[in-house]
Amino acid sequence: KNEVEQSPQNLTAQEGEFITINCSYSVGISALHWLQQHPGGGIVSLFMLSSGKKKHGRLIATINIQEKHSSLHITASHPRDSAVYICAVRGNTGNQFYFGTGTSLTVIP
Amino acid sequence: EPEVTQTPSHQVTQMGQEVILRCVPISNHLYFYWYRQILGQKVEFLVSFYNNEISEKSEIFDDQFSVERPDGSNFTLKIRSTKLEDSAMYFCASRDRGYSNQPQHFGDGTRLSIL
Repeated sequence: KNEVEQSPQNLTAQEGEFITINCSYSVGISALHWLQQHPGGGIVSLFMLSSGKKKHGRLIATINIQEKHSSLHITASHPRDSAVYICAVRGNTGNQFYFGTGTSLTVIP
Repeated sequence: EPEVTQTPSHQVTQMGQEVILRCVPISNHLYFYWYRQILGQKVEFLVSFYNNEISEKSEIFDDQFSVERPDGSNFTLKIRSTKLEDSAMYFCASRDRGYSNQPQHFGDGTRLSIL
């Protein structure tokens, strides 16, 4: 079973486009993470959310706890944004983490 | 900016051999994690560690796996008798206290290849 579902799996965008990646989860959570994984494999934490909305530069993350849904938005996308974006949640019954399969984003110049 | 470092970056080991993957978390962090990512698959949680003991582990983390913080700076993952299916990228992460507002910091990973 997949506790975390992401969509789309793959996304190709033109430079400058507004991008949205969606994440739905089925477990109770204490926090949701958005991670970026570069082609070389390294993982960077972008956001950690437990409610509302966070913004960092061109990235915006929102979460709706009632609907068990989160979105990651990228404004004015750039080729350097090309990476795999992973949604992960921390369960609220312990220190267990569940990961989505990731969204592979390619931004074309 | 301080970072999590992992060594080696690539480890090749014969099946059945023991392997130790090493991580140096950020120095003032208190919570430590190991994750695994089999090629082409999603990241999977293995274990979390706090206050010198395991706080949570997944089904993957069976008796073949163990973790240690031997000297206050290193955080190691040992696989006792490696199997082919242990081939994966292993990521270490750490975070500061106050989980509600502190993100995890990840290392660059160790690619483990079992022959």
